[in-house]
Amino acid sequence: EPQLLESGGGLVQPGGSLRLSCVASGFTFRSYAVTWVRQTPGKGLEWVAVISSTGGSKHYPEDLRGRFRIFRDNYKNTVELEINNVRAEDAAVYYCAKLTHGYWDFGSGVAFDIWGQGTKLTVS
Amino acid sequence: SVLTQPPSASGTPGQRVTISCSGSDSNIGRKTVNWYQQLPGMAPKLLIYNQDQRPSGVSDRFSGSKSGTSASLAISGLQSEDEGEYYCATWDDNLAGWVFGGGTSLTVL
Repeated sequence: EPQLLESGGGLVQPGGSLRLSCVASGFTFRSYAVTWVRQTPGKGLEWVAVISSTGGSKHYPEDLRGRFRIFRDNYKNTVELEINNVRAEDAAVYYCAKLTHGYWDFGSGVAFDIWGQGTKLTVS
Repeated sequence: SVLTQPPSASGTPGQRVTISCSGSDSNIGRKTVNWYQQLPGMAPKLLIYNQDQRPSGVSDRFSGSKSGTSASLAISGLQSEDEGEYYCATWDDNLAGWVFGGGTSLTVL
């Protein structure tokens, strides 16, 4: 059964940095793009980063580019999200999710079909 | 949110409920729509993709459609286990990224 498992959340001070990790199992990890989505009570679900199956393409929302970085290791079946200069508004539950394709092609026909259970980031 | 959903919806067991998702030409108008279900305390789950396709294992009580810049999720034969939050999502060409609706909280009375 395909699964994703996040870790790395916790308490971070404003201005600090952290890396969230997502470990995949039960599917051919190197064939699929992976994304991170965060959820807050106030803003709902918000897409924050995506990386292609090979790791050669990465994409972020305009307002997060520069502070958020996404990486993957297809030997370890992991994707990591690095958040720098953490702000109060970054507090959220962060989910990693598998895309239905290896690349997103401007979103056409692409969905997030497997989600992890989430890891919570608290900023204080 | 870029995509507009009603904040809440409700129905009695066995009823049919519809949840709408309104967007624009830069998103729903030209891109495929997906729906996600989030049950209490759980992660989101893909419910409908490409506006009307169900992933393996999703009940045929759930159906999706799209017309112009709006999409809809219909749930027939409502069951108590359907209570939760439902989100529409798609790509937005202007924002160059995925956008989600604000979510609709479904209550089974």
